[in-house]
Amino acid sequence: DAGVIQSPRHEVTEMGQEVTLRCKPISGHNSLFWYRQTMMRGLELLIYFNNNVPIDDSGMPEDRFSAKMPNASFSTLKIQPSEPRDSAVYFCASSSGGPGTGELFFGEGSRLTVL
Amino acid sequence: EDKVVQSPLSLVVHEGDTVTLNCSYEVTNFRSLLWYKQEKKAPTFLFMLTSSGIEKKSGRLSSILDKKELFSILNITATQTGDSAVYLCAGVNAGNMLTFGGGTRLMVKP
Repeated sequence: DAGVIQSPRHEVTEMGQEVTLRCKPISGHNSLFWYRQTMMRGLELLIYFNNNVPIDDSGMPEDRFSAKMPNASFSTLKIQPSEPRDSAVYFCASSSGGPGTGELFFGEGSRLTVL
Repeated sequence: EDKVVQSPLSLVVHEGDTVTLNCSYEVTNFRSLLWYKQEKKAPTFLFMLTSSGIEKKSGRLSSILDKKELFSILNITATQTGDSAVYLCAGVNAGNMLTFGGGTRLMVKP
């Protein structure tokens, strides 16, 4: 399996622009997570989908952030409008099994820089 | 709110040294504790611990969980430069939600 695939790997944009990050989870995994990682705050969970349904989006910073999972093999995280404080590495991760199995497989991340 | 704290924040050792990384957690409806190694890119899975007192081992790395005292340790013996990385632990609750600690940055010098 190719693992979790994220795109773009790097994005540099200007404040106010829309940013869309994409993720393809491992085939057969029914849970998908979006994380944000910064030096200051470490890894923070933004949103969690199970069977394509958002289960917990309490980590989404504000209304500028939205995430969708239209099918089992694709998810997007959108920031509109972007701000410099959104600069971070955004990881998508997927897992299989029921609650408590826990092991996540991470994509290689999308490094976002907002100028 | 679930909370995971790792110590030390960073550590510099020489090749051949043994290191112990600490992870304490407060997780409601705790299910398991995970250790990850993060080099330049994505975190990669090391161990999942669910039972107290049972050591998990993989080569020079080992880990154990204490569910009474709510902590785990990760040991690395005979460290090598390739062990240099950020080591993350995460507590998992019954809803399969992970809460990560801030990580321990390990640097192994030749």
